[in-house]
Amino acid sequence: GDSVTQMEGPVTLSEEAFLTINCTYTATGYPSLFWYVQYPGEGLQLLLKATKADDKGSNKGFEATYRKETTSFHLEKGSVQVSDSAVYFCALSAPGGYNKLIFGAGTRLAVHP
Amino acid sequence: GAGVSQTPSNKVTEKGKYVELRCDPISGHTALYWYRQSLGQGPEFLIYFQGTGAADDSGLPNDRFFAVRPEGSVSTLKIQRTERGDSAVYLCASSFGSGRGETQYFGPGTRLLVL
Repeated sequence: GDSVTQMEGPVTLSEEAFLTINCTYTATGYPSLFWYVQYPGEGLQLLLKATKADDKGSNKGFEATYRKETTSFHLEKGSVQVSDSAVYFCALSAPGGYNKLIFGAGTRLAVHP
Repeated sequence: GAGVSQTPSNKVTEKGKYVELRCDPISGHTALYWYRQSLGQGPEFLIYFQGTGAADDSGLPNDRFFAVRPEGSVSTLKIQRTERGDSAVYLCASSFGSGRGETQYFGPGTRLLVL
């Protein structure tokens, strides 16, 4: 069945470091891909999304490119801030699947000053 | 505007009891989803409503779990004969429709603890 695999955390970085969180997926057809973020004490929020191959989603300095050939949707940010500390979830919704989301296990990011 | 709200925010119950969890979606959103998130895991799909009907309940773990959305707005997730393994955060999400790539907006969740 459809699934999402993301790198295990925690990821610990210093402020202004470069961030990559790997995400790969298994799905039939062309799913839509999402990154959701959960800040401490808050609910899940959509960070960015891409709905077709080679699309790039971006928001708040974060970017991810939908790579069909490698079935990946890696999250990147050039310079992280302490306020980016959160848990990041990669997710997919399969075509024809009522848009229900299948999530990865999440990656905790801790950014230190 | 108001986001998705869920009540209660926390619920502690004893094994074998019945619980109801409520979700108020964003006004005008026709699609509503329930997910369950265990500690250290990503959310797992439980059930999807389009309007009043459950279009996909394939994620409900067993027949102790049931959900309704009688007027196409508020939804209630009902769990009978609770077990310790039901302890988790129950998340509700809504979206305007269920088209490709439609954004789902999540509520803060109900944290259920079964003793």
